[in-house]
Amino acid sequence: KAGVTQTPRYLIKTRGQQVTLSCSPISGHRSVSWYQQTPGQGLQFLFEYFSETQRNKGNFPGRFSGRQFSNSRSEMNVSTLELGDSALYLCASSTLAGGPRNEQFFGPGTRLTVL
Amino acid sequence: QKEVEQNSGPLSVPEGAIASLNCTYSDRGSQSFFWYRQYSGKSPELIMSIYSNGDQEDGRFTAQLNKASQYVSLLIRDSQPSDSATYLCAVFTGGFKTIFGAGTRLFVKA
Repeated sequence: KAGVTQTPRYLIKTRGQQVTLSCSPISGHRSVSWYQQTPGQGLQFLFEYFSETQRNKGNFPGRFSGRQFSNSRSEMNVSTLELGDSALYLCASSTLAGGPRNEQFFGPGTRLTVL
Repeated sequence: QKEVEQNSGPLSVPEGAIASLNCTYSDRGSQSFFWYRQYSGKSPELIMSIYSNGDQEDGRFTAQLNKASQYVSLLIRDSQPSDSATYLCAVFTGGFKTIFGAGTRLFVKA
């Protein structure tokens, strides 16, 4: 079974631009979560989607948004990029519908650099 | 108080020793607990899951959970240099979010 895929793997943008990242979950997984990882803050939860609905959201500004399509693929968008948005963005898919046994499997991540 | 706390380390152990990694969490409604391993430049990889009090063993790895003390640990027996990585504790909370600790860096010396 193929794992979680993320595109692109690397991205360089300048301040003020916007960016869209894509994630394809493991086949059969309907829940997709997004995380931001930085050396200073660790892994921070952005949001989670299940069946095209955002079920949960972390403490990030409205510049960060996402969506999920009917095939469970997900995108996240960051508008008006700031230097502090430079990070590794990780997508994780999970087997179950958000129940307690919520094992998540991560993709390779997208490394975003904002200049 | 952080929701999930880990000692950042680094924790250094000799090859063949037992490495003990600890994690505490604040939400008493937390239901599931996970350990991930992350090598430098790579994404986290799930290595252990535990859902009830006690021990859960998988090969050289043992996860231990004590809900009364809000404490989770990971033991790595017969540590190998290839175990050198950052270990992330993750907790599925009563708020239906998975919260990650900052991670503990482990070095296994050959």
